[in-house]
Amino acid sequence: NAGVTQTPKFQVLKTGQSMTLQCAQDMNHEYMSWYRQDPGMGLRLIHYSVGAGITDQGEVPNGYNVSRSTTEDFPLRLLSAAPSQTSVYFCASSYSLTNEKLFFGSGTQLSVL
Amino acid sequence: TQLLEQSPQFLSIQEGENLTVYCNSSSVFSSLQWYRQEPGEGPVLLVTVVTGGEVKKLKRLTFQFGDARKDSSLHITAAQPGDTGLYLCAAYSNSGYALNFGKGTSLLVTP
Repeated sequence: NAGVTQTPKFQVLKTGQSMTLQCAQDMNHEYMSWYRQDPGMGLRLIHYSVGAGITDQGEVPNGYNVSRSTTEDFPLRLLSAAPSQTSVYFCASSYSLTNEKLFFGSGTQLSVL
Repeated sequence: TQLLEQSPQFLSIQEGENLTVYCNSSSVFSSLQWYRQEPGEGPVLLVTVVTGGEVKKLKRLTFQFGDARKDSSLHITAAQPGDTGLYLCAAYSNSGYALNFGKGTSLLVTP
C-alpha cells in the first residue's frame, strides 16, 4: 500500500517562480490537508478539503492555492514563491471528515532563494 | 486556533531513564491525539485519548488525558534510543475539520 505520496521530495525555487506540490492517496479518504512545518513553529494548517470540489482555508493560507478535482489528488500551488515559504510541506489524509487519525506523506523540503 | 502548549521543548536523556512530556491548553477537547515524527518523515499517530481521566498504554509509553479534558501527558518508562523523535500533541478545532498541533517536544535518547 502506497498510502499518501508526495512529490517532489526536495525543491529549490527562485523568488517569483511558481510550482505545484503533488499529493496523492490511494486509501479512498475523503479528507485531505496541507501543513507546513517550520522550526519553532510546529505544524500549521494551510488548506484542507472535505471532499472532491470542496476546499477551505486553514491557519496560514496566504500565497497558496489548492483544488480537489478527484478524491485521490490534492495539489498545492505556489503562484509566486517567496523566501518566507521556505519550509517542509506535509500532505495528510483521513477516512472520514472529522476527528479521525491523519495519515501523513513523507514531506517536501522547499527552499526559496 | 486553539493553542496547545507542549513542554519541555527539548529533552536529552540517557537510555533507561524515565520521562514525561506535557500538552496543555485552556480549551476543552472532545479528544486529543499524540503523534511521533522521525527525521525526514511525516508524523505517525501513537494514540487518541477521548475520555477525561483516561489512561492508555502502548508498550513503555503511557498516555493520560486530564479529568477536565484540557491537558494530556505522555510518560516513557526506561527510554531507548529508538524513542528518539519529535512528539506532537494535536486536537481538532470546534468545527472538527482542522487538526491543530502543538509545537512538539524533541526527545533525544543516547545509549
